[in-house]
Amino acid sequence: EPEVTQTPSHQVTQMGQEVILRCVPISNHLYFYWYRQILGQKVEFLVSFYNNEISEKSEIFDDQFSVERPDGSNFTLKIRSTKLEDSAMYFCASSESQALNIQYFGAGTRLSVL
Amino acid sequence: EDQVTQSPEALRLQEGESSSLNCSYTVSGLRGLFWYRQDPGKGPEFLFTLYSAGEEKEKERLKATLTKKESFLHITAPKPEDSATYLCAVQDMDTGFQKLVFGTGTRLLVSP
Repeated sequence: EPEVTQTPSHQVTQMGQEVILRCVPISNHLYFYWYRQILGQKVEFLVSFYNNEISEKSEIFDDQFSVERPDGSNFTLKIRSTKLEDSAMYFCASSESQALNIQYFGAGTRLSVL
Repeated sequence: EDQVTQSPEALRLQEGESSSLNCSYTVSGLRGLFWYRQDPGKGPEFLFTLYSAGEEKEKERLKATLTKKESFLHITAPKPEDSATYLCAVQDMDTGFQKLVFGTGTRLLVSP
C-alpha cells in the first residue's frame, strides 16, 4: 500500500541552526502539506503546496519556514533558525486531488531543539 | 474561526463494551469531516470522511455518523487493539478549503 515517507524520524539540533525535514509523498498525489504537533497538543496546519507553489499557509508559517519540491518525488520543510518552541512532531501529508481530498500522513519527524 | 471539540478527552472501556466518541464542530461551510486514528509516536491514520448530514460510514467495529453540528464515532464490541487516540478534523469550504482543523482527540484505552 502506498505511503508517505518522512526522514529523519528524529532530528536533534541546536537553537539557531537550520534544519530540513524531508518527505516523499504518495507518487500520484498532487497536493502536499505540513502539519506539526507539539507534545500533548492538537495537530496544527502549517502549509499546503500545489503546482510548485504555496496555496495556503497558517500564521505559524512565518519567514523562518519555507517549503520546496526540489525534484519529482521529494517535498521538504526548512526551518532557517530554529527556536526552542519549534520542538514538535512534524507531519507531512499528501492528497490526490481537490475532489479526492483525503490527506494521508507520514509517520512524522520528531524535532528536538536544544 | 473553525473549531473542533472532542469529548470525552479520555475513555476507558472493557473489551466488548460499546461506546461513542463525540466531535462537535463550527465551520462556515463544511467541505468534509474526517476521522483519523493516531497511535503513540505515529502519524494520523485515515479512517473515514463524511461530507453531508445524515451520512454514515462503517469499517469493522467502527461507525461514523454526521449531523449539521457534530459527528459520532461508534465503537462496537471494542478490542484491546482499538486502543489509540481518535482525531476528528474538518475542512471548511469558505476559509481555506484544503487545511484540516483538528480537535484535541479522544484517548481510548480498551482493557482485556
